[in-house]
Amino acid sequence: ETGVTQTPRHLVMGMTNKKSLKCEQHLGHNAMYWYKQSAKKPLELMFVYNFKEQTENNSVPSRFSPECPNSSHLFLHLHTLQPEDSALYLCASSLGAGNQPQHFGDGTRLSIL
Amino acid sequence: GENVEQHPSTLSVQEGDSAVIKCTYSDSASNYFPWYKQELGKGPQLIIDIRSNVGEKKDQRIAVTLNKTAKHFSLHITETQPEDSAVYFCAASSGGSYIPTFGRGTSLIVHP
Repeated sequence: ETGVTQTPRHLVMGMTNKKSLKCEQHLGHNAMYWYKQSAKKPLELMFVYNFKEQTENNSVPSRFSPECPNSSHLFLHLHTLQPEDSALYLCASSLGAGNQPQHFGDGTRLSIL
Repeated sequence: GENVEQHPSTLSVQEGDSAVIKCTYSDSASNYFPWYKQELGKGPQLIIDIRSNVGEKKDQRIAVTLNKTAKHFSLHITETQPEDSAVYFCAASSGGSYIPTFGRGTSLIVHP
């Protein structure tokens, strides 16, 4: 149990579907992150939220839309995805600034048909 | 921005041997260096970290060393066991940024 829970664990969707990924942390952290992990590529940071405010958007296409209603919950809304978006999507949280350890969830394995 | 290089990409050892994974970084302002272990089907988990005011840190069979002058840091695993098989990631970040930079990962295989 990492303290960071992601749902669903697996998701298969067509390119025209709309779905959402959910992340919840029970660690009292104030920063939350979305990462994309593809085979043979380094971890790609997508979004960073600190105290519910988005602080980073790492040039992510608009078909990915994050939402952070409070410091414990983070969503990634998906719309009109492409086959190259198939990957493992990881959520993480940390207590503060970049020099703090990150706690990762086990990810959502996303497959785009 | 920061750039982190990690080597090797794959490391195969016999059970009981030692394993060493090396990372270099480019930003001299980086002051926090965590190492993560990712097992199959799981997210990365922190196994050890080191800050720039320390040269070495140990936790049982795992140790990390940091050379600030040369801008490199290494993970050392002694007496490896099959359950050490996983992908290991290094990262570097500075206190003013929420963005750690990760290495590309090392797949460690420990043969029984």
